[in-house]
This record gives sequence, structure tokens and C-alpha cells, in this order.
Amino acid sequence: QQQVKQSPQSLIVQKGGISIINCAYENTAFDYFPWYQQFPGKGPALLIAIRPDVSEKKEGRFTISFNKSAKQFSLHIMDSQPGDSATYFCAASRKNTGFQKLVFGTGTRLLVSP
Amino acid sequence: SQTIHQWPATLVQPVGSPLSLECTVEGTSNPNLYWYRQAAGRGLQLLFYSVGIGQISSEVPQNLSASRPQDRQFILSSKKLLLSDSGFYLCAYTGSGANVLTFGAGSRLTVL
Repeated sequence: QQQVKQSPQSLIVQKGGISIINCAYENTAFDYFPWYQQFPGKGPALLIAIRPDVSEKKEGRFTISFNKSAKQFSLHIMDSQPGDSATYFCAASRKNTGFQKLVFGTGTRLLVSP
Repeated sequence: SQTIHQWPATLVQPVGSPLSLECTVEGTSNPNLYWYRQAAGRGLQLLFYSVGIGQISSEVPQNLSASRPQDRQFILSSKKLLLSDSGFYLCAYTGSGANVLTFGAGSRLTVL
């Protein structure tokens, strides 16, 4: 019940295309859903996060879509660029329980071809 | 501003040798500190976290230990490394406000 399932494991998208990464969770108590972006040899960095009281959050070319009833959330990268090539992790937790309870997906390696 | 430093960035050690990875945070007081291990295809696994000096919580039984000798210093150690300890180790913190988990650049450990 603590797992977050992420798919696909890897993704190749042409420059200018839309990259979509999906995550599913089981614990209905989760109320914080961040996405992290990790470039090779670097630590992950927070990209965008959403709370379940909204169905969508957009920051520039990055959008999180949230479906509470399906217990799914996804990251959309519009107009994907080669500089977006990285590994993306979704995560989930109950915010008030502390970040030690943050559960990560297994990651998606995105390659945007020029 | 708040920053996090990890070293060494890369380390190659023989089986049975000791390990010490260090992490320091600047620009905040009394941060919560975390050690994660990242293995290919397995995401991020929390190893230890600390809410204060000398306070260490272990999430998984293993060959590693952690210590927090100072408020903004977190150390990951082992007395005798195993081949299975190879991986990418990440230190992270939450600072004042505690609303964002920030990672360091990581330490790549290879045990031969």
C-alpha cells in the first residue's frame, strides 16, 4: 500500500513532442505528490508538486495532472527539448508525516532526440 | 541561501574496507537530514534520517551506519564494505519551513 508505481521505465520523444510519465498509488491518505528531475551524475531536484485539491498544476512546459478517483497522477512535458533529457521520479506522501515517509517511484529515463 | 555539500563525489573501495561519506548543509539551522541510496531501476531508498544531533533513525537493516556529530553534518559509514554496498548515495535535507526535500549532488561508490 506504500508503493508508487511509475511507468514507463524509459521513454524516447522527439524534440517538440509531448512526454508523458504516469504514476499510480494505493494509499488514499497521500496528499502530497512531487516530481523530481535528475540529470546524470547529479542529485534529484524538485520540479513540480501538486496537492489533491486540484486536478492540474502547470509550471511553464511542465504540467501535473491528478486523478484522485483513479489514484493516478502524471507529468506532461510539452514541447520537449533535448535539455529535458533526464530521469524523472514521482513520489507521494502525507505531508504532515515528514519527508522520511516520502515514497518514490522507480524512475523514468527520458531521452529527447534532437 | 541554503546549500548542501557531499563528498567525495566518487569513491572506489575494496571489499572489506571502511567507508565514510560526509554531508554538510549551510544556511539553515536544525535541518532534518536524510541518506538515500539509488540503485538502477529501483528508485530512491531511504537509509537513515535525523531530526537532530545524535538522533538517527534507520529505515533498513544493512551494513551501513549514520551519525550526526554536528547540527548540519551527516556522515554515512561502514566498517567493512560489501560488494552490494556499491551505488549512488544521496544526502538530502529539509530546512526551515520544511516544505521541500533538497538533495546533494551524490557520491558514487564502487566496491571491488
